[in-house]
Amino acid sequence: DAGITQSPRHKVTETGTPVTLRCHQTENHRYMYWYRQDPGHGLRLIHYSYGVKDTDKGEVSDGYSVSRSKTEDFLLTLESATSSQTSVYFCAIRSTGEETQYFGPGTRLLVL
Amino acid sequence: AQSVTQLDSQVPVFEEAPVELRCNYSSSVSVYLFWYVQYPNQGLQLLLKYLSGSTLVESINGFEAEFNKSQTSFHLRKPSVHISDTAEYFCAVSDRFTGNQFYFGTGTSLTVIP
Repeated sequence: DAGITQSPRHKVTETGTPVTLRCHQTENHRYMYWYRQDPGHGLRLIHYSYGVKDTDKGEVSDGYSVSRSKTEDFLLTLESATSSQTSVYFCAIRSTGEETQYFGPGTRLLVL
Repeated sequence: AQSVTQLDSQVPVFEEAPVELRCNYSSSVSVYLFWYVQYPNQGLQLLLKYLSGSTLVESINGFEAEFNKSQTSFHLRKPSVHISDTAEYFCAVSDRFTGNQFYFGTGTSLTVIP
């Protein structure tokens, strides 16, 4: 257990509504990541953060934004959700000098 | 960018039989290699990793993987599987020098048949 929680764990929303997912860590890790998991695609990186207010885009960043105003929280926002964003979203953390990423329990999002 | 290929999307195997899950990656630059396991409705758990040193790495529950630089492969093996090994297995690679991005394969679903 790397001290990572994600909220909510499940969410159903409608197309066009904004959605924010939260990743919270308790162990002061520098790096945080958001992935989405889809059948046939494995996990794909959406955005990542390398410090407070320091973020960068991943492979599938279109339609998503992130914010990190404090070390322990990394927020993923879908400004206007679409059905193609129905997925399972995972947060991960990594410490400086540690090469391994550790994953949270995931958020299952359904966009109707 | 790296790409990771897991050639088998589904692998059924009888209990106590050996299994190999294949993983190949695209680039020959220095990499770190990982296998993660995902049980139903759970997050990913690290199974084993290769960072440097011995090319054969082992997990605590009997899995092993061998880094083969010439073939750009990191296949996962277990000599005798158990029912509890039924899960999804993901291979991942990161660049040794940039390190920030992990690239995942599409996963292999291992089903152990009693």
